[in-house]
Amino acid sequence: GENVEQHPSTLSVQEGDSAVIKCTYSDSASNYFPWYKQELGKRPQLIIDIRSNVGEKKDQRIAVTLNKTAKHFSLHITETQPEDSAVYFCAASINQAGTALIFGKGTTLSVSS
Amino acid sequence: ETGVTQSPTHLIKTRGQQVTLRCSSQSGHNTVSWYQQALGQGPQFIFQYYREEENGRGNFPPRFSGLQFPNYSSELNVNALELDDSALYLCASSLVGGGPVKTQYFGPGTRLLVL
Repeated sequence: GENVEQHPSTLSVQEGDSAVIKCTYSDSASNYFPWYKQELGKRPQLIIDIRSNVGEKKDQRIAVTLNKTAKHFSLHITETQPEDSAVYFCAASINQAGTALIFGKGTTLSVSS
Repeated sequence: ETGVTQSPTHLIKTRGQQVTLRCSSQSGHNTVSWYQQALGQGPQFIFQYYREEENGRGNFPPRFSGLQFPNYSSELNVNALELDDSALYLCASSLVGGGPVKTQYFGPGTRLLVL
C-alpha cells in the first residue's frame, strides 16, 4: 500500500541553525504534499504545502522542495528559534482532491537557545 | 485557529461499547476527512465524506463508520470498541470542487480512551 517515510525521527539544533527533514513517498499518483507542525496536545497546523507541478516553495524561514522523479520532498527551516520546537509531519495525498493524506511518522525538532 | 470544531474534547469508554464523535467543518467547506492518531504516531486516514457520501476509505474495519449532514458537519461512529482504538481522533475539512488541490484544516481532536 501507499507509504510515506520520514527522517530523522528526532533532530536537535542550536538556535539560529538550519533544520532539514526529508520524506519519501511510494504512490506516483500523489500530487499534494503538505507539512504540518504539531505542538503537544494541539491540532496539526499546516505550515507549508507544495503541489506536484512546483519544484520549490518558500515562505519566510520555511521552504519545501519536491523531486517527483525520486519521490522525495524536504522541509527546510532556516534561522531556527526555540518556538520552532515541535513535532513535524510530512504527508502525501492518495486522492486527486488532496483530501486523503498519508502521513509520515513525524520528526521531533528541539531547538535549544 | 481554524474554524473546524470537534466534540467532545475527551471521552472514556469501556471495551465493547460504541462511541460517536462529532465534527463541524469550516464555513464554506464541503468535505470532511477523519484521521486516527495514536500516541507518538502520525495521523492515519480513516475515511472522508463529500456531499454526504463516503468518498474514500483507509485501512480501517467496517466498525468504523460515519455520516455527513446537509450542513457538511460529520460524525464518526465506532462500534465494539477495542483497547487499540484509544487515540486522538482528528477531523479535517476542505472545499473540494473544480480547480487545484485544496488545503484541509484540522480540528482540535477528540481524545478517546478505551478501558
